Amino acid sequence: QVQLQQAGPGLVKPSQTLSLTCAISGDSVSTNSGTWNWIRQSPSRGLEWLGRTYYRSKWYQEYAVSVKSRIVINPDTSKNQFSLHLNSVTPEDTAVYFCSKETGMFARYAMDVWGQGTTVTVSS
Amino acid sequence: DIQMTQSPSSLSASVGDRVTITCRASQSISTYFNWYQQKPGQAPNLLIYDASRLQSGVPSRFSGSGSGTDFTLTISSLQPEDFATYYCQQSYSTPYSFGQGTKLEI
Repeated sequence: QVQLQQAGPGLVKPSQTLSLTCAISGDSVSTNSGTWNWIRQSPSRGLEWLGRTYYRSKWYQEYAVSVKSRIVINPDTSKNQFSLHLNSVTPEDTAVYFCSKETGMFARYAMDVWGQGTTVTVSS
Repeated sequence: DIQMTQSPSSLSASVGDRVTITCRASQSISTYFNWYQQKPGQAPNLLIYDASRLQSGVPSRFSGSGSGTDFTLTISSLQPEDFATYYCQQSYSTPYSFGQGTKLEI
């Protein structure tokens, strides 16, 4: 079955870049039948979708407007993983970050596999 | 962007009760709609997709209904392991959006 394993630091200084990776087992980041997402959760914002990457003959990325100027989500086919980079972080970016796989079922999409979550604190 | 509004935000119930949680979308989303359960310290877990289809492995006491803008999640007979927070999510268009959650308490 598909599993996602997150990695990355739990503490990031203000103005620096938050970087997380999500390693995939049991599937390929290049699959044509799913998308790979990053979501964060905080008491103030609840569950917030940040963006996704997916392959449909070429690579696509889509981002939430709230972070669009600061975010990059990249696939890494050599390591079968995808990454999140969020630059110029502030304490408001403190949250639990999740990666997830969105799968198509009956022509509808849902996030049926999630990483374990990474608590990221932005503080000096 | 599509806004998702859940109600109630919290709900007290007992084992064996039947409970219903509702979610409203700010525009019609057909059945591009999902329900998740989240327990403390864990990632969300998919319960229902396509508004009413039960995810594999999810007990049949969970059911979903609705289309367009109004959706419901029903738990027919609460079990101790069902006390958790439930979230709705639209998958009609990006940016995807979630409801604010319904905390189901004993």
